[in-house]
Amino acid sequence: ETGVTQSPTHLIKTRGQQVTLRCSSQSGHNTVSWYQQALGQGPQFIFQYYREEENGRGNFPPRFSGLQFPNYSSELNVNALELDDSALYLCASSLLGQGASWYFGSGTRLTVV
Amino acid sequence: GESVGLHLPTLSVQEGDNSIINCAYSNSASDYFIWYKQESGKGPQFIIDIRSNMDKRQGQRVTVLLNKTVKHLSLQIAATQPGDSAVYFCAEQRGLGSTLTFGKGTMLLVSP
Repeated sequence: ETGVTQSPTHLIKTRGQQVTLRCSSQSGHNTVSWYQQALGQGPQFIFQYYREEENGRGNFPPRFSGLQFPNYSSELNVNALELDDSALYLCASSLLGQGASWYFGSGTRLTVV
Repeated sequence: GESVGLHLPTLSVQEGDNSIINCAYSNSASDYFIWYKQESGKGPQFIIDIRSNMDKRQGQRVTVLLNKTVKHLSLQIAATQPGDSAVYFCAEQRGLGSTLTFGKGTMLLVSP
């Protein structure tokens, strides 16, 4: 176990709806990244938060947004859901400046119908 | 854009054999290369990493080899066990603690 927890584990939403996914980082970690993993593919970087500010973003539209809280937990929000948003959403945490290792949660499986 | 990719989508081995999973990368500016293992229903689990200034690193039952001349990375698993069955991803990192760029993955199937 990595100490990174995500909720919920599974979620079904209708196209056009909004969704919020949650992540608690490993104790002592100050940086959180979110990844989208489509079936049969490698994870794709969405964005990263460090000390409550976004400090990196992948090739995802603005309807993907996030937050990081003072306790370093994080949320991923997706507005106007599309069918192609169906994927496993992974959260990873790290201690920036202390190493290269990222520790992943088990993910939230989002299905958009 | 530049990416990390894999040669083989599926590798089937017998228990006790040695396994070799390969990965080709295209960005020579990457500082770290990492191997992750992902079991069904779980997130990627860190196995081993290697800095770009090294060509070999060993862990417990695993060895990573880096050939910068041909931009090739491999993961060797000794005495493969059924519990090693999973999807293996290579990933690159362009600086300490920076984000990860993953390849598509190789599924390793270990038969008893």
